[in-house]
Amino acid sequence: AQSVTQPDIHITVSEGASLELRCNYSYGATPYLFWYVQSPGQGLQLLLKYFSGDTLVQGIKGFEAEFKRSQSSFNLRKPSVHWSDAAEYFCAVGAEGGSYIPTFGRGTSLIVHP
Amino acid sequence: EPEVTQTPSHQVTQMGQEVILRCVPISNHLYFYWYRQILGQKVEFLVSFYNNEISEKSEIFDDQFSVERPDGSNFTLKIRSTKLEDSAMYFCASRNSIGHEKLFFGSGTQLSVL
Repeated sequence: AQSVTQPDIHITVSEGASLELRCNYSYGATPYLFWYVQSPGQGLQLLLKYFSGDTLVQGIKGFEAEFKRSQSSFNLRKPSVHWSDAAEYFCAVGAEGGSYIPTFGRGTSLIVHP
Repeated sequence: EPEVTQTPSHQVTQMGQEVILRCVPISNHLYFYWYRQILGQKVEFLVSFYNNEISEKSEIFDDQFSVERPDGSNFTLKIRSTKLEDSAMYFCASRNSIGHEKLFFGSGTQLSVL
């Protein structure tokens, strides 16, 4: 069965600083990987996804993530954080074929200091 | 961008009472999902629904839970006799094709069982 680990419950950064949110997955085959963001009072919004090809994927809002098979990781990065990036971030892994039901991590809460 | 709408945003109920959580998926979507997130824990899959029947469900989705698409637009989750441990944020999601199209999530219903 697939699983996702987000080891950091909270991350605090200063506005303008760089950001990296960690995600490790467990899945027997090639995973489909996602990052979602949830701003306060909002639904989960897809930031980016990886299915195949280039292991560095670009997403919305200036985010990117890199798939590293050797480390079973899919870390989310942003070079310069804005105060509006404060939110909950969820990593998810999807199964190939079947009914496609993503499995989510517990989330990482990003706090941005001015 | 089209939205998945969930009502109410907050629901408070007494233990043992029935609750119905409502969702209006995006109009041309065919696949519907319920997820939940207990505070501090992972976002967990509950059930998926397609062609007016459940396609998959998790261990969490026991006989106390049911889903329905009563009128072609709404998608409801019913908990027959709520327990304290049902307190969670419940997310509805939908998408329009099988494969790797993104899930559109609602903003969630926060259920508190007292």
